[in-house]
Formats: sequence, structure tokens, C-alpha cells
Amino acid sequence: EAQVTQNPRYLITVTGKKLTVTCSQNMNHEYMSWYRQDPGLGLRQIYYSMNVEVTDKGDVPEGYKVSRKEKRNFPLILESPSPNQTSLYFCASSLSGRGAGGYTFGSGTRLTVV
Amino acid sequence: SQELEQSPQSLIVQEGKNLTINCTSSKTLYGLYWYKQKYGEGLIFLMMLQKGGEEKSHEKITAKLDEKKQQSSLHITASQPSHAGIYLCGADRGSTLGRLYFGRGTQLTVWP
Repeated sequence: EAQVTQNPRYLITVTGKKLTVTCSQNMNHEYMSWYRQDPGLGLRQIYYSMNVEVTDKGDVPEGYKVSRKEKRNFPLILESPSPNQTSLYFCASSLSGRGAGGYTFGSGTRLTVV
Repeated sequence: SQELEQSPQSLIVQEGKNLTINCTSSKTLYGLYWYKQKYGEGLIFLMMLQKGGEEKSHEKITAKLDEKKQQSSLHITASQPSHAGIYLCGADRGSTLGRLYFGRGTQLTVWP
């Protein structure tokens, strides 16, 4: 089944403890991106990647890092999480970055930083 | 300021009624996407519009992009409880591939 898989689905962590949220897609998509969704603010793009080793900032990149060493994986790294990074996170992938097939989204990772 | 304005913010309709959700931009849209989200879950892709005047349909859902490519509407005919959820419009940020931004969503409730 074609899908974007995020892990974990739920995560509670403490301030300052480094964490990684994994994202993997099995569709050979070139474009991948990370979003956070917050009440009242909607869905905002954190980082995106156009291909292996090519990444760029989205609208809210502060406090996050990403890497794209393989085409299928695009992990989101929080080096020193803070409570304001408590949010619902989504990974998404697309074959071409703009196409009739749109972006396929993962099921989300609900992160709580205490 | 929010670059994609969705209206209404929420909508409650009786099953069987038609409804329309709007998505407006102050800038020309290069690509406009419609997604549906169940609360707290992932987004499901509905349709993508690119050309001015374009219209697409899937089952009972029709989406249009106006000629100026600054406004899109999503129309649901004969709504059903299965249509309930949050509808989000998203757009390409300029000509840069991969850069997307979204409206804040429209919460749709359909009561039997």
C-alpha cells in the first residue's frame, strides 16, 4: 500500500531532550515536507526537501532540523525541544512538488513537550 | 496575515443539503489543493486545480478555480454524515515547487 509512515504517533518528552520523528514513504516521491498544525494557526510548513541532500526552510523552521540522506526517509529532529513545540506534526510527500496527485500525508505525530 | 482565507470557519448542515466552502487569496494561485481532515488525523487529498476556470469533480464534491486564479470554491451536493470533517485549501507558494501554505480550514458538521 502506498503510504507515508510517521513514528511515533504520540510522544511526550521533557524540555531539552533531543528527539527525532521519523517519516518514510514507499512511493519513490521526490518531494517531502514537514508541517505542524496548531489550533487557530492552521497547518504551517517547517521544512521541505526536493530530493536527496536538498532541503530548504518553510515558514516556521526555527528549532527544527531535517535531513534527506535517502529518498524514502525525511526525519524531523528537535535538538532541544521546548513547550512551544507542542503540536501535531505531519509529514507529506509528492512525486513532483506540484501535480494532480497532490501530496500524501502521514497520520500525524502528536508531540507534547513538558 | 493569513494568505489563504477560508470561509466559513465552520458550517453545520442537515444531511441532504448542498453547501459551499470558499478559499480566497490576495495573490495569483499557481496551484490550489483541497484536502479533507478528520479531527486529529492525516489529510486526505481531494483535488488539485491549476488553470483559471478549471473545475473538477469527485463523487459529490466539485471544486472550481476562478478565472483570475485567486479564489476557489468547494461544493458538496446532497451532503452526508461521511462528508463531515475539516476542509483545508492549500496553495503553492509562488512558483517554487514544494512550498505549500494552507488556509485555517472549515469545520463541517452534517447532522442526520
